[in-house]
Amino acid sequence: AQTVTQSQPEMSVQEAETVTLSCTYDTSESDYYLFWYKQPPSRQMILVIRQEAYKQQNATENRFSVNFQKAAKSFSLKISDSQLGDAAMYFCAYRSWTSGTYKYIFGTGTRLKVLA
Amino acid sequence: SAVISQKPSRDICQRGTSLTIQCQVDSQVTMMFWYRQQPGQSLTLIATANQGSEATYESGFVIDKFPISRPNLTFSTLTVSNMSPEDSSIYLCSVVTVAYNEQFFGPGTRLTVL
Repeated sequence: AQTVTQSQPEMSVQEAETVTLSCTYDTSESDYYLFWYKQPPSRQMILVIRQEAYKQQNATENRFSVNFQKAAKSFSLKISDSQLGDAAMYFCAYRSWTSGTYKYIFGTGTRLKVLA
Repeated sequence: SAVISQKPSRDICQRGTSLTIQCQVDSQVTMMFWYRQQPGQSLTLIATANQGSEATYESGFVIDKFPISRPNLTFSTLTVSNMSPEDSSIYLCSVVTVAYNEQFFGPGTRLTVL
């Protein structure tokens, strides 16, 4: 069975600085997607970035980028130039295609605090 | 993108009663999921409710406790039956759109059982 592990329950970063959130996963599949989701205190989950396993190039979305190490099964999120609005819970998620549907597995989350 | 609404946004219920949560999507989607999230914790998948098939429940969740309806491609309901305080949680509806290859979430329903 697939698992997703986020080993950092909480992280802090100074405004305008860079922070990296860690995520590791375990799978025997070769074709899958990985995601980072953000859940602000208002609780609506939104997608931050996604990575397709067969793509070697790391995904980038503005200030957000990932370091995808497929062999090591690692998928970290780097937030550059941190802003107060980045404060939220961040969830790493794994997606596979199983029995005719997608299946998502979420990590336990990392609470990011941004200090002014 | 897909815009999802949930009703009610929150409720306080007495133990032993049932609550039905509605999930409405502004576009037709095939894949729909129901999650439970304890405050400050991760998401746990309750069931997959794809249109055209019976809901598929994850380990630890049963249809008698969490019956789901999926009458069409834009709507679903999750009922939490015979509630106990352990059912107090946030319940989230989500959909996956093939066009965007992305999962969208509803705002959630915060349930408190006394």
